Amino acid sequence: GAGVSQTPSNKVTEKGKYVELRCDPISGHTALYWYRQSLGQGPEFLIYFQGTGAADDSGLPNDRFFAVRPEGSVSTLKIQRTERGDSAVYLCASSLKYARGRAGRISPLHFGNGTRLTVT
Amino acid sequence: QKEVEQNSGPLSVPEGAIASLNCTYSDRVSQSFFWYRQYSGKSPELIMSIYSNGDKEDGRFTAQLNNASQYVSLLIRDSQPSDSATYLCAVTADRGSTLGRLYFGRGTQLTVWP
Repeated sequence: GAGVSQTPSNKVTEKGKYVELRCDPISGHTALYWYRQSLGQGPEFLIYFQGTGAADDSGLPNDRFFAVRPEGSVSTLKIQRTERGDSAVYLCASSLKYARGRAGRISPLHFGNGTRLTVT
Repeated sequence: QKEVEQNSGPLSVPEGAIASLNCTYSDRVSQSFFWYRQYSGKSPELIMSIYSNGDKEDGRFTAQLNNASQYVSLLIRDSQPSDSATYLCAVTADRGSTLGRLYFGRGTQLTVWP
């Protein structure tokens, strides 16, 4: 089966514009995560979906950021009025909710190749 | 905010040596721990997961978890130049509103020289 797919792989936009980043998770994975990673840093949590609903969106930096997952599969991260500080690699990951045989434990996340966003 | 601390390195070892990577975390409740490898310009790739105190071995990799001391380590035996990458430690809480959130350290850059 295919892995996590993210499109576009690169996005260059002007300051103030609106962008959408798409993530197609591994089939059967109910949990979907968005992270962003700046150079030299570890991935920074943004939002996590379990099914269609956002289970935890407290990592979104401000109200310019929004994410949806209307049918519990594909997710879109939306950024309004982009700023130069939004430039980063945006990573999507998916997982089964529970590790096999260990109810309550989180399964490993499988990452897509990321979208490199550059705001000029 | 959960803290996950890693020595950013760089860690440099000769080919064939053992590379030891360490990670400490602040939340004693954490139950799920992962090591990811990230090559420059690529996305993180899962190396190991560990959920219980003790050691877990997979090929040349061994993950060690000590929940009482709140650290998790990764040993790479017979290091190869192809192991040169940044290694990310990730820790999650397994309760309450943060269930499912995975926190990452900054990563340790490993260089294996031939």
